[in-house]
Amino acid sequence: EVQLVESGGGLVKPGGSLRLSCATSGFTFTSAWMSWVRQAPGKGLEWVGRITSNGDGGRTDYAAVVRGRFVLSRDDSKATLDLQMNSLKTEDTGVYYCTTDEGVWGNGTSVIVSS
Amino acid sequence: DIQMTQSPSSLSASIGDTVTITCRASQYIGIFLNWFQQRPGKAPHTLIHSAYILQTGVPSRFSASWSGTEYTLTISSLQPEDSGTYYCRQSYDVPKTFGQGTRLEIK
Repeated sequence: EVQLVESGGGLVKPGGSLRLSCATSGFTFTSAWMSWVRQAPGKGLEWVGRITSNGDGGRTDYAAVVRGRFVLSRDDSKATLDLQMNSLKTEDTGVYYCTTDEGVWGNGTSVIVSS
Repeated sequence: DIQMTQSPSSLSASIGDTVTITCRASQYIGIFLNWFQQRPGKAPHTLIHSAYILQTGVPSRFSASWSGTEYTLTISSLQPEDSGTYYCRQSYDVPKTFGQGTRLEIK
């Protein structure tokens, strides 16, 4: 069974940093293209960024609103995906989901940016 | 960025009804279109990929089609568990963009 389990969410002050992780199992992570999607409270879904497989260059792409502040990385040896979030803003508050390009979603981890 | 215009923003229907949700892309996206369902308080899950292909395990009362840059999700024989919010998303180019969502209420 394919599983994605996010962790690392929490409460952080504006300007602070947080690192989210996504532990995966049940599929060939090394060839998977992976994304993060977030959802602000009461709002719709927003794509955050994507990382290709290392075989496809390990290329990262980001939404304009997070580019320069967020960094995607992957560890194929552990089948994990990370999202390093820096210079956090209150508008980064929401639930962050890890997803595969094949359409599997994790259950999300909550990030609250507040003073 | 590619804009996805989804309609309606909400609808209400009865058990057994058929409903249709539409997304229009601002440019050509081919079949790079997904549909997602999000039940209240839950994570989204994928219903349709590649514009019309049902994800494994999704009931056959869900179907999808497209014409040009207009994409349609149809839910027939509505069931209580179909209540929730539905989103389209293009994966033709980055940034991947979502429609605004359609909230479906089952009367």
